[in-house]
Amino acid sequence: SQTIHQWPATLVQPVGSPLSLECTVEGTSNPNLYWYRQAAGRGLQLLFYSIGIDQISSEVPQNLSASRPQDRQFILSSKKLLLSDSGFYLCAWSLDANSYNEQFFGPGTRLTVL
Amino acid sequence: EDKVVQSPLSLVVHEGDTVTLNCSYEVTNFRSLLWYKQEKKAPTFLFMLTSSGIEKKSGRLSSILDKKELSSILNITATQTGDSAIYLCAVTTDSWGKLQFGAGTQVVVTP
Repeated sequence: SQTIHQWPATLVQPVGSPLSLECTVEGTSNPNLYWYRQAAGRGLQLLFYSIGIDQISSEVPQNLSASRPQDRQFILSSKKLLLSDSGFYLCAWSLDANSYNEQFFGPGTRLTVL
Repeated sequence: EDKVVQSPLSLVVHEGDTVTLNCSYEVTNFRSLLWYKQEKKAPTFLFMLTSSGIEKKSGRLSSILDKKELSSILNITATQTGDSAIYLCAVTTDSWGKLQFGAGTQVVVTP
């Protein structure tokens, strides 16, 4: 069966520091991968999605970047964090490029920027 | 601009009550509508709806899509305290399966 991992679970970082959040998927190959951010009390906003290694699309302009160095690894990064980057970051996967496949979410990383 | 709107934003019910949650959408290329339940952390998948008028059921939860009204409802019957969660509605509009979410409905079930 497929599983998705994210780490760390929680993170407190000062403004201006770098960020690296990691997501890995097991039990499937060539998944679509997604990064979402959820602000407190709000729905999820799609940040990045990827259909393959080194194939990343950004949905909104922001202070973040994403990379996919391996088929089942998706990394969210920032060179300098802003206060507004605080939130709950969720990674998700779905089976290849088919919109009729549901997305499955990882446990999330709660990021607080101080 | 594509929009997904959920109502109500929050509600409090007693155990045993029935709850109806609404999701309406205005999107340019509708493909599917999904419901998720979010407790403390990751949203868990409930239903995917692609065809109008066909009810999907799982235990006490059911959902139906109305493409004419551009909306969907999620029903929870005989609610239990374990149903307390945020219920998220999302719509896909392209072949990459990207989800556009509503703000969610927070449901609190009191004993």
